Amino acid sequence: NAGVTQTPKFRVLKTGQSMTLLCAQDMNHEYMYWYRQDPGMGLRLIHYSVGEGTTAKGEVPDGYNVSRLKKQNFLLGLESAAPSQTSVYFCASSYSTSGRALYYNEQFFGPGTRLTVL
Amino acid sequence: AQSVSQHNHHVILSEAASLELGCNYSYGGTVNLFWYVQYPGQHLQLLLKYFSGDPLVKGIKGFEAEFIKSKFSFNLRKPSVQWSDTAEYFCAVSGSSNTGKLIFGQGTTLQVKP
Repeated sequence: NAGVTQTPKFRVLKTGQSMTLLCAQDMNHEYMYWYRQDPGMGLRLIHYSVGEGTTAKGEVPDGYNVSRLKKQNFLLGLESAAPSQTSVYFCASSYSTSGRALYYNEQFFGPGTRLTVL
Repeated sequence: AQSVSQHNHHVILSEAASLELGCNYSYGGTVNLFWYVQYPGQHLQLLLKYFSGDPLVKGIKGFEAEFIKSKFSFNLRKPSVQWSDTAEYFCAVSGSSNTGKLIFGQGTTLQVKP
C-alpha cells in the first residue's frame, strides 16, 4: 500500500495564479482532511470530507475550495493564490471503528506539498 | 471551542536526558488524544494515542503519555532520549463530533545534542 500520496511535492506560483493539489489514499478510508502547516502555528484544518461527495469547512477555509468526487481522492484548489497561502500543505485520511461507541482512529498523513506564492 | 496548548516551544536536551513535553486541552466532553512526531523533512507519524482505559499509554520508540482528566493534560515522556529523537512533536485532540477532526497544538521542537 502506498498509503497517502500528494501531488505535487513542490510548487511556486505567482500571485493570482490557480492550482490544484491532489491527495490520494489507497486504504479505503472514509474521512479525508487538508491542513496547512505554518511555523509556530501547528497544523490548521482547511477543509475536510466525511465521505465521497461531501465536504465541509475547517478552521481556515478562506481562499480554498475542495472536491471529493471519488472516495480515494481529495482535491484542494486555490483559485487566486496569495502570498499568505505560502505554506506546507498536508493531506490526511482516517476511518472510524464501531464498538460500544464510534471511535475515530488516528489520521494518516501524506508527505506534504511545499507551496510558495510570490 | 476546543483548543490545545503545548507549553514548550523549543526544548534542547543532551542524549540520555529524560523528556517531558506538556500538553493541555480545553474540551468538556469525551476526547481522544494523540501525539504525533514529525522528523525533519518528513510527514507526521503517530507516536501514541489514548481513547479509553488505562490512562498511561505506551507508544513507539519508548515514548509514553499519561492522560490526567482532572488536569486536562496529556504529557509525553521518554526516560532517555537519543539524537534520533530530534523532531517536532504535536499533541492533538479530537472530540465527540462525527467528523474525526483533530485540533493540533502549536508543536514543540526537540533538539537532542549528541
